[in-house]
Amino acid sequence: AQSVSQHNHHVILSEAASLELGCNYSYGGTVNLFWYVQYPGQHLQLLLKYFSGDPLVKGIKGFEAEFIKSKFSFNLRKPSVQWSDTAEYFCAVKGNTDKLIFGTGTRLQVFP
Amino acid sequence: DVKVTQSSRYLVKRTGEKVFLECVQDMDHENMFWYRQDPGLGLRLIYFSYDVKMKEKGDIPEGYSVSREKKERFSLILESASTNQTSMYLCASSIRTGAYNEQFFGPGTRLTVL
Repeated sequence: AQSVSQHNHHVILSEAASLELGCNYSYGGTVNLFWYVQYPGQHLQLLLKYFSGDPLVKGIKGFEAEFIKSKFSFNLRKPSVQWSDTAEYFCAVKGNTDKLIFGTGTRLQVFP
Repeated sequence: DVKVTQSSRYLVKRTGEKVFLECVQDMDHENMFWYRQDPGLGLRLIYFSYDVKMKEKGDIPEGYSVSREKKERFSLILESASTNQTSMYLCASSIRTGAYNEQFFGPGTRLTVL
């Protein structure tokens, strides 16, 4: 069965610090990978996605993620966080069906 | 822009009541989904519909049913609400199987069952 692990449940950073959120999945076949973000009081929205090709994917607001197939990982990175990045971040994987499997989420708090 | 709307942002119901949560999408998507979101548990799929009148159970279907009579509308029904169904409910939609079928989410309904 597919599963997604997000090991960082709560991350606290100061502005300008670098961010890396871990995401590991288990699935033996071809996967599509997603990072979604939920800002306080707002919809869940897509941050970035990987389907094929270049394993380094760039998303909105300066975020990027790297797909490392050998490690079953899709970690999210941002070189310098801002207070406005305070949100909850969800990693998700799609295998050979239309269903997404989500991780448990990482709550990021950025202090000025 | 894809728009997914949900009938209520906040809902308070009593134990034993029948509860209807409505979701409408305006992009002619074939797939629609209902999730519940709980702290520390992420999003868990309750039900999924891939076409009108077609449905498939997700990971936690117990205590819920769904209805999809029109392509744009997907309803989640709590037949007899219980306190353990207090949660945030999220609806989503996507095109059918394809490499680029990301899901688009509604704003959520925060349901409290007293």
